[in-house]
Amino acid sequence: SQKIEQNSEALNIQEGKTATLTCNYTNYSPAYLQWYRQDPGRGPVFLLLIRENEKEKRKERLKVTFDTTLKQSLFHITASQPADSATYLCALSNTGNQFYFGTGTSLTVIP
Amino acid sequence: EAGVAQSPRYKIIEKRQSVAFWCNPISGHATLYWYQQILGQGPKLLIQFQNNGVVDDSQLPKDRFSAERLKGVDSTLKIQPAKLEDSAVYLCASSLDLGGGYYGYTFGSGTRLTVV
Repeated sequence: SQKIEQNSEALNIQEGKTATLTCNYTNYSPAYLQWYRQDPGRGPVFLLLIRENEKEKRKERLKVTFDTTLKQSLFHITASQPADSATYLCALSNTGNQFYFGTGTSLTVIP
Repeated sequence: EAGVAQSPRYKIIEKRQSVAFWCNPISGHATLYWYQQILGQGPKLLIQFQNNGVVDDSQLPKDRFSAERLKGVDSTLKIQPAKLEDSAVYLCASSLDLGGGYYGYTFGSGTRLTVV
Protein backbone atom coordinates (compact mmCIF):
# COMPACT_ATOMS: atom_id res chain seq x y z
CA SER A 1 0.00 0.00 0.00
CA GLN A 2 1.07 3.60 -0.44
CA LYS A 3 3.21 5.20 2.23
CA ILE A 4 3.32 8.96 2.78
CA GLU A 5 5.98 10.39 5.07
CA GLN A 6 6.36 13.88 6.43
CA ASN A 7 8.95 15.22 8.86
CA SER A 8 7.99 13.54 12.10
CA GLU A 9 9.91 16.03 14.18
CA ALA A 10 8.55 19.49 14.75
CA LEU A 11 10.20 22.28 12.81
CA ASN A 12 11.16 25.49 14.61
CA ILE A 13 12.41 28.48 12.64
CA GLN A 14 13.08 32.14 13.23
CA GLU A 15 10.61 34.73 11.97
CA GLY A 16 11.53 36.03 8.53
CA LYS A 17 13.31 32.83 7.46
CA THR A 18 12.06 30.35 4.86
CA ALA A 19 10.41 27.21 6.21
CA THR A 20 10.79 24.06 4.10
CA LEU A 21 8.60 21.03 4.74
CA THR A 22 9.00 17.67 3.04
CA CYS A 23 6.51 15.09 1.84
CA ASN A 24 7.92 11.77 0.58
CA TYR A 25 5.95 8.86 -0.79
CA THR A 26 6.57 5.26 -1.79
CA ASN A 27 4.60 2.53 -3.55
CA TYR A 28 2.54 5.20 -5.23
CA SER A 29 2.40 7.31 -8.38
CA PRO A 30 0.22 10.28 -7.55
CA ALA A 31 -0.96 12.61 -10.26
CA TYR A 32 -2.21 15.21 -7.76
CA LEU A 33 -0.68 16.53 -4.60
CA GLN A 34 -2.27 18.96 -2.16
CA TRP A 35 -1.06 20.82 0.91
CA TYR A 36 -3.27 21.72 3.85
CA ARG A 37 -2.81 23.74 7.03
CA GLN A 38 -4.33 22.52 10.30
CA ASP A 39 -4.59 24.58 13.47
CA PRO A 40 -5.27 22.94 16.87
CA GLY A 41 -8.91 22.01 17.26
CA ARG A 42 -9.73 22.85 13.67
CA GLY A 43 -10.14 20.94 10.43
CA PRO A 44 -7.46 21.15 7.70
CA VAL A 45 -7.61 24.14 5.35
CA PHE A 46 -6.73 23.67 1.67
CA LEU A 47 -3.72 25.71 0.53
CA LEU A 48 -2.39 24.51 -2.82
CA LEU A 49 -2.78 21.82 -5.46
CA ILE A 50 -0.02 20.74 -7.82
CA ARG A 51 -0.30 18.20 -10.63
CA GLU A 52 2.36 15.75 -11.79
CA ASN A 53 3.09 17.74 -14.95
CA GLU A 54 3.70 20.91 -12.93
CA LYS A 55 7.12 21.21 -11.37
CA GLU A 56 6.36 24.22 -9.21
CA LYS A 57 3.42 26.30 -8.06
CA ARG A 58 3.32 29.54 -6.11
CA LYS A 59 0.68 31.37 -4.09
CA GLU A 60 1.70 34.53 -2.28
CA ARG A 61 4.46 33.44 0.17
CA LEU A 62 3.92 29.75 -0.52
CA LYS A 63 5.79 27.63 -3.03
CA VAL A 64 5.31 23.93 -3.74
CA THR A 65 7.46 21.65 -5.86
CA PHE A 66 6.58 18.17 -7.06
CA ASP A 67 9.39 15.84 -8.15
CA THR A 68 7.98 12.55 -9.42
CA THR A 69 11.47 11.12 -9.93
CA LEU A 70 12.49 11.69 -6.32
CA LYS A 71 8.90 10.93 -5.18
CA GLN A 72 8.93 14.07 -3.14
CA SER A 73 7.16 17.38 -2.67
CA LEU A 74 8.68 20.38 -0.94
CA PHE A 75 6.54 23.08 0.64
CA HIS A 76 8.16 26.45 1.26
CA ILE A 77 6.91 29.41 3.27
CA THR A 78 9.04 32.48 2.64
CA ALA A 79 9.32 35.41 5.07
CA SER A 80 7.71 33.25 7.74
CA GLN A 81 5.57 34.82 10.44
CA PRO A 82 4.43 33.56 13.86
CA ALA A 83 0.90 33.33 12.36
CA ASP A 84 2.25 30.59 10.06
CA SER A 85 2.69 28.30 13.07
CA ALA A 86 0.48 25.25 12.49
CA THR A 87 0.60 21.64 11.32
CA TYR A 88 0.95 21.19 7.57
CA LEU A 89 -0.41 18.10 5.83
CA CYS A 90 0.29 16.79 2.35
CA ALA A 91 -2.33 14.71 0.55
CA LEU A 92 -1.86 12.60 -2.58
CA SER A 93 -4.11 11.10 -5.23
CA ASN A 94 -3.50 9.19 -8.44
CA THR A 95 -6.94 9.94 -9.88
CA GLY A 96 -8.02 13.19 -8.25
CA ASN A 97 -11.02 11.32 -6.87
CA GLN A 98 -9.68 10.45 -3.44
CA PHE A 99 -6.76 11.77 -1.44
CA TYR A 100 -4.55 10.05 1.12
CA PHE A 101 -3.05 12.22 3.84
CA GLY A 102 0.36 12.22 5.46
CA THR A 103 0.81 12.53 9.21
CA GLY A 104 1.70 16.21 9.08
CA THR A 105 4.60 18.36 10.23
CA SER A 106 4.27 20.83 13.09
CA LEU A 107 5.83 24.22 12.32
CA THR A 108 6.58 26.87 14.93
CA VAL A 109 7.79 30.29 13.85
CA ILE A 110 9.64 32.00 16.66
CA PRO A 111 9.33 35.80 16.88
CA GLU B 1 -20.13 31.32 2.09
CA ALA B 2 -20.95 29.22 5.12
CA GLY B 3 -18.47 26.49 5.93
CA VAL B 4 -18.99 22.80 6.65
CA ALA B 5 -21.03 22.50 9.84
CA GLN B 6 -20.51 19.63 12.26
CA SER B 7 -22.06 18.76 15.59
CA PRO B 8 -21.48 18.05 18.35
CA ARG B 9 -17.99 19.50 18.86
CA TYR B 10 -17.17 17.14 21.70
CA LYS B 11 -18.59 13.84 22.89
CA ILE B 12 -17.58 11.54 25.73
CA ILE B 13 -19.16 8.09 25.89
CA GLU B 14 -18.48 4.80 27.57
CA LYS B 15 -17.33 1.82 25.52
CA ARG B 16 -20.14 -0.22 24.01
CA GLN B 17 -22.40 2.84 23.86
CA SER B 18 -23.55 4.34 20.57
CA VAL B 19 -22.90 7.81 19.19
CA ALA B 20 -23.90 9.80 16.12
CA PHE B 21 -22.27 12.73 14.38
CA TRP B 22 -23.94 15.17 12.03
CA CYS B 23 -22.54 17.09 9.06
CA ASN B 24 -23.98 19.76 6.79
CA PRO B 25 -21.69 20.41 3.78
CA ILE B 26 -21.27 23.58 1.79
CA SER B 27 -24.29 24.26 -0.39
CA GLY B 28 -23.73 22.93 -3.90
CA HIS B 29 -20.94 20.53 -2.93
CA ALA B 30 -22.01 17.15 -4.24
CA THR B 31 -19.19 15.14 -2.70
CA LEU B 32 -19.02 14.53 1.04
CA TYR B 33 -16.38 12.68 3.05
CA TRP B 34 -16.01 11.40 6.59
CA TYR B 35 -12.47 11.17 7.90
CA GLN B 36 -11.10 9.80 11.19
CA GLN B 37 -8.07 11.57 12.64
CA ILE B 38 -6.36 9.88 15.56
CA LEU B 39 -4.10 12.11 17.64
CA GLY B 40 -0.75 12.64 15.93
CA GLN B 41 -1.87 11.10 12.64
CA GLY B 42 -3.22 12.37 9.37
CA PRO B 43 -6.90 12.08 8.44
CA LYS B 44 -7.98 8.62 7.26
CA LEU B 45 -10.91 8.32 4.88
CA LEU B 46 -13.87 6.36 6.19
CA ILE B 47 -16.50 6.94 3.52
CA GLN B 48 -17.09 9.08 0.44
CA PHE B 49 -20.51 10.06 -0.91
CA GLN B 50 -21.42 11.52 -4.28
CA ASN B 51 -24.85 13.09 -3.82
CA ASN B 52 -26.63 10.40 -1.78
CA GLY B 53 -24.72 7.45 -3.23
CA VAL B 54 -21.66 5.80 -1.70
CA VAL B 55 -18.50 6.11 -3.83
CA ASP B 56 -16.11 4.33 -1.46
CA ASP B 57 -16.63 2.79 1.96
CA SER B 58 -13.82 0.25 1.80
CA GLN B 59 -12.16 1.58 4.96
CA LEU B 60 -15.33 1.88 7.02
CA PRO B 61 -15.50 -0.77 9.80
CA LYS B 62 -18.96 -1.84 8.82
CA ASP B 63 -19.49 -4.09 11.81
CA ARG B 64 -19.78 -0.99 13.99
CA PHE B 65 -19.78 2.11 11.78
CA SER B 66 -22.58 3.26 9.49
CA ALA B 67 -23.19 6.41 7.53
CA GLU B 68 -25.92 7.85 5.42
CA ARG B 69 -26.53 10.95 3.38
CA LEU B 70 -30.20 11.57 2.95
CA LYS B 71 -31.36 13.66 -0.02
CA GLY B 72 -27.75 14.27 -0.99
CA VAL B 73 -27.22 17.02 1.60
CA ASP B 74 -26.76 16.35 5.33
CA SER B 75 -24.96 13.27 6.53
CA THR B 76 -24.75 11.31 9.75
CA LEU B 77 -22.03 8.92 10.92
CA LYS B 78 -22.88 6.42 13.64
CA ILE B 79 -20.76 4.15 15.78
CA GLN B 80 -22.42 1.27 17.59
CA PRO B 81 -20.97 -0.13 19.79
CA ALA B 82 -18.01 2.15 20.41
CA LYS B 83 -14.56 0.83 21.34
CA LEU B 84 -11.74 2.58 23.12
CA GLU B 85 -9.75 2.76 19.86
CA ASP B 86 -12.52 4.83 18.26
CA SER B 87 -11.33 7.82 20.28
CA ALA B 88 -10.43 10.35 17.60
CA VAL B 89 -11.58 13.47 15.82
CA TYR B 90 -14.19 12.78 13.17
CA LEU B 91 -13.93 15.25 10.33
CA CYS B 92 -16.50 15.91 7.65
CA ALA B 93 -15.40 17.47 4.38
CA SER B 94 -17.05 18.42 1.12
CA SER B 95 -15.75 19.28 -2.32
CA LEU B 96 -17.14 21.06 -5.35
CA ASP B 97 -15.71 18.49 -7.76
CA LEU B 98 -15.97 14.71 -7.52
CA GLY B 99 -12.79 14.01 -5.59
CA GLY B 100 -11.36 17.37 -4.63
CA GLY B 101 -8.70 17.09 -7.26
CA TYR B 102 -9.20 20.62 -8.53
CA TYR B 103 -10.57 22.69 -5.69
CA GLY B 104 -9.50 20.74 -2.63
CA TYR B 105 -11.60 19.76 0.32
CA THR B 106 -13.37 22.08 2.74
CA PHE B 107 -13.33 20.55 6.21
CA GLY B 108 -15.52 21.16 9.21
CA SER B 109 -14.00 21.67 12.66
CA GLY B 110 -14.68 18.06 13.56
CA THR B 111 -16.17 16.18 16.48
CA ARG B 112 -13.74 15.06 19.16
CA LEU B 113 -14.88 11.68 20.48
CA THR B 114 -13.50 10.23 23.68
CA VAL B 115 -14.46 6.65 24.55
CA VAL B 116 -13.84 5.73 28.18
